[in-house]
Amino acid sequence: QSALTQPASVSGSPGQSITISCTGTSSDVGGYNFVSWYQQHPGKAPKVMIYDVNYRPSGVSNRFSGSKSGNTASLTISGLQTEDEADYYCCSYAGSSSLVFGGGTKLTVL
Amino acid sequence: QVQLVQSGAEVKKPGASVKVSCKASGYTFTSYEIIWVRQATGQGLEWLGWMSPNNGNTVYAQKFQGRVTLTWDASISTAYMHLNSLESEDTAVFYCARNGAGLHYWGQGTLVTVSS
Repeated sequence: QSALTQPASVSGSPGQSITISCTGTSSDVGGYNFVSWYQQHPGKAPKVMIYDVNYRPSGVSNRFSGSKSGNTASLTISGLQTEDEADYYCCSYAGSSSLVFGGGTKLTVL
Repeated sequence: QVQLVQSGAEVKKPGASVKVSCKASGYTFTSYEIIWVRQATGQGLEWLGWMSPNNGNTVYAQKFQGRVTLTWDASISTAYMHLNSLESEDTAVFYCARNGAGLHYWGQGTLVTVSS
């Protein structure tokens, strides 16, 4: 199982929108609608921001949204805020009860 | 409220094994799968395996097959991750997480340091 591909870093200014991509294969991202996204601040456990491609857990800001096209999933954060600065990881079901994570993307809010 | 509380940090020598616990509360333990994930310092998240207390199934990542064992004691709502033949490259924070609407609940993490 190879890790999903994410850009190492993205940046944006407060108020702007950014999108983080997550590319896999037809055996994981493209094959199932079970992509989730996690935000992780330094020294903290990850926090789910999006699950099942585009569902937002209760309490997560509606500035976070998810989508998928083919083998690539995306996380979009609109109206960037300084507290959004963190690492973001995608995760996909990969069949046979297995999961695969992306390599992670460092978001910098300039 | 749902909580996953993990055991404390461990220091192990190369070749040894480690067992990390994850005590669940606030929900019916057998109703949700538990996933184990590790994160080396400055690195990304890596899936180790998946356990289903409801049907007794376990699934392990290929990379860790034969080295990791996931068990649980439903009577005390506690999951365990046992990793053997430790190497320095296994130094990492290990997390348990509850599956359901993504990995919605996470333990606080357990740092395992492998050093001679």
